[in-house]
Amino acid sequence: DVKVTQSSRYLVKRTGEKVFLECVQDMDHENMFWYRQDPGLGLRLIYFSYDVKMKEKGDIPEGYSVSREKKERFSLILESASTNQTSMYLCASSLLVGERIGNQPQHFGDGTRLSIL
Amino acid sequence: DAKTTQPTSMDCAEGRAANLPCNHSTISGNEYVYWYRQIHSQGPQYIIHGLKNNETNEMASLIITEDRKSSTLILPHATLRDTAVYYCIVRLSSGGGADGLTFGKGTHLIIQP
Repeated sequence: DVKVTQSSRYLVKRTGEKVFLECVQDMDHENMFWYRQDPGLGLRLIYFSYDVKMKEKGDIPEGYSVSREKKERFSLILESASTNQTSMYLCASSLLVGERIGNQPQHFGDGTRLSIL
Repeated sequence: DAKTTQPTSMDCAEGRAANLPCNHSTISGNEYVYWYRQIHSQGPQYIIHGLKNNETNEMASLIITEDRKSSTLILPHATLRDTAVYYCIVRLSSGGGADGLTFGKGTHLIIQP
């Protein structure tokens, strides 16, 4: 079974802090994703990576950065946390088959519920 | 990606088959039908996907109509742990760059003891 592990289930930080969310997958997947999920807004893609050291912006990258130094690990960084970044953060991974990204299912971690005070 | 329409909620008795419908009348020829579910306070879980043919795995079966305008997810023997929001989405078979998922409102399936 695919296992995507997020480092924390719950996290509380203060406004202005630099926050690191870590994600590790054990299935040698090329693609990794960071989403946030908010009531009424659904799932929104923050960043995406299809290879080590590669990253692409999703729909809402402002205020975030990412790091992919190893294939299995994808980190989300909140450079200076703000209260509007309080959310559920979800990491996912998927296999890349040739250039066909779209038809491979994404497998999710259990999420990090982040509160910024 | 094509839009999908699902009932807001459904009930099913424990041990019975749960049949969840999804309409995707604007689906194009190279779009797959995917099903995910999300149990409260957990991340989304991939269930199954298909293009034209019916598919079955250890979790569920996916029945796609011949015209591909609708599909049904079948959980053959529902248990209380299957209570969740189920999302039907359609996605292109290929793509480059950011390829995030977008869930609609889904169907809240409640399994009754």
